[in-house]
Amino acid sequence: AQKVTQAQTEISVVEKEDVTLDCVYETRDTTYYLFWYKQPPSGELVFLIRRNSFDEQNEISGRYSWNFQKSTSSFNFTITASQVVDSAVYFCALSEGGSGAGSYQLTFGKGTKLSVIP
Amino acid sequence: GAVVSQHPSWVICKSGTSVKIECRSLDFQATTMFWYRQFPKQSLMLMATSNEGSKATYEQGVEKDKFLINHASLTLSTLTVTSAHPEDSSFYICSARKFGAFYNEQFFGPGTRLTVL
Repeated sequence: AQKVTQAQTEISVVEKEDVTLDCVYETRDTTYYLFWYKQPPSGELVFLIRRNSFDEQNEISGRYSWNFQKSTSSFNFTITASQVVDSAVYFCALSEGGSGAGSYQLTFGKGTKLSVIP
Repeated sequence: GAVVSQHPSWVICKSGTSVKIECRSLDFQATTMFWYRQFPKQSLMLMATSNEGSKATYEQGVEKDKFLINHASLTLSTLTVTSAHPEDSSFYICSARKFGAFYNEQFFGPGTRLTVL
């Protein structure tokens, strides 16, 4: 069974501060995919990143960066110089690979609500 | 590319009525579509997985007779909430997996907010 834990329920930061959102996952598969999504107040999920289990390279995209560490089963997300527009709920999700019946299903963490205060 | 639409975006109905929500992949074929429910301040919970031309697979605890899913074509899946009650009020989100996609990526619709009075 797969599980995603986002221990931080809510985080508040002042604009321009850096913030890291934690994500810890559990899976028995050796092939799996990890995702981060942003959900602004409008409700629509915005895809941020996908990582497969064989690619442990960290990634940077503008002010966003991701740290994938298989040794600790973590896939943390850092926003540098946060802005008010970053205020949203952020979800980490896991999908196991393979061709079984459960393939392609996404298991979401409970989400972290980020509030960036001007 | 890879746009998914949902209709309606919001709906208010009386208790006991049925509501149909449509999920369409606009620019790709989707062999598999997923339906999620999200209660306020909670995460997305998978309700069912629907494959084109076959019966949907429901998650444990989801009543298949109450939440009817039809995936009649490669671009359309519908969720019908039958005899809706106030506890069914929620945000319903669909997603679609692109036919032939290599990665396990789902494209999400904008969601439908259902309020049952």
